[in-house]
Amino acid sequence: DARVTQTPRHKVTEMGQEVTMRCQPILGHNTVFWYRQTMMQGLELLAYFRNRAPLDDSGMPKDRFSAEMPDATLATLKIQPSEPRDSAVYFCASGFGWIYNEQFFGPGTRLTVL
Amino acid sequence: EDQVTQSPEALRLQEGESSSLNCSYTVSGLRGLFWYRQDPGKGPEFLFTLYSAGEEKEKERLKATLTKKESFLHITAPKPEDSATYLCAAQNTGNQFYFGTGTSLTVIP
Repeated sequence: DARVTQTPRHKVTEMGQEVTMRCQPILGHNTVFWYRQTMMQGLELLAYFRNRAPLDDSGMPKDRFSAEMPDATLATLKIQPSEPRDSAVYFCASGFGWIYNEQFFGPGTRLTVL
Repeated sequence: EDQVTQSPEALRLQEGESSSLNCSYTVSGLRGLFWYRQDPGKGPEFLFTLYSAGEEKEKERLKATLTKKESFLHITAPKPEDSATYLCAAQNTGNQFYFGTGTSLTVIP
């Protein structure tokens, strides 16, 4: 049963700490997306990759967030330093082909920054 | 300013009572209009992508349609398992995505 996996599922940290979230896309998928969801802002697209190359990260705060794909089986989203306003659920999704095609979402990482 | 607005915020239907959810968008050049379903505590589930006015797509009891200003998600004879939040998003020619705040659908047996 192919699915997107995300680790950790829950993370509680203190303001100023570095946070790294990891995503393993479905094997064979070549597009990866990072989303953030909060009650106030709803769902937001932070960044997306195709064939490991970043296509767009205009939704991501550049000063503290960074997204990378070290290899085809791993995508990472880092926040340094973290702030309370970063508290949210972060979803990773993967797909094949172009961004208009079906995306498969992971279960999310719930981040709480105290 | 590019934006997406969904209505209603919440909708309660009796099982079998068909209805439609609305997604109004204003974006600078629409590249794609996306619909998702999200169950509580879970990641969204991709439903459809629509590209141009007049296009329609169907999946089980759901049908999505697109005009130049809005998209509708029609739910025919809904069942309790269709209860979820339905999200839409529009992508503009600058590759930016704009999400609506969703419609929370409850189908009562």
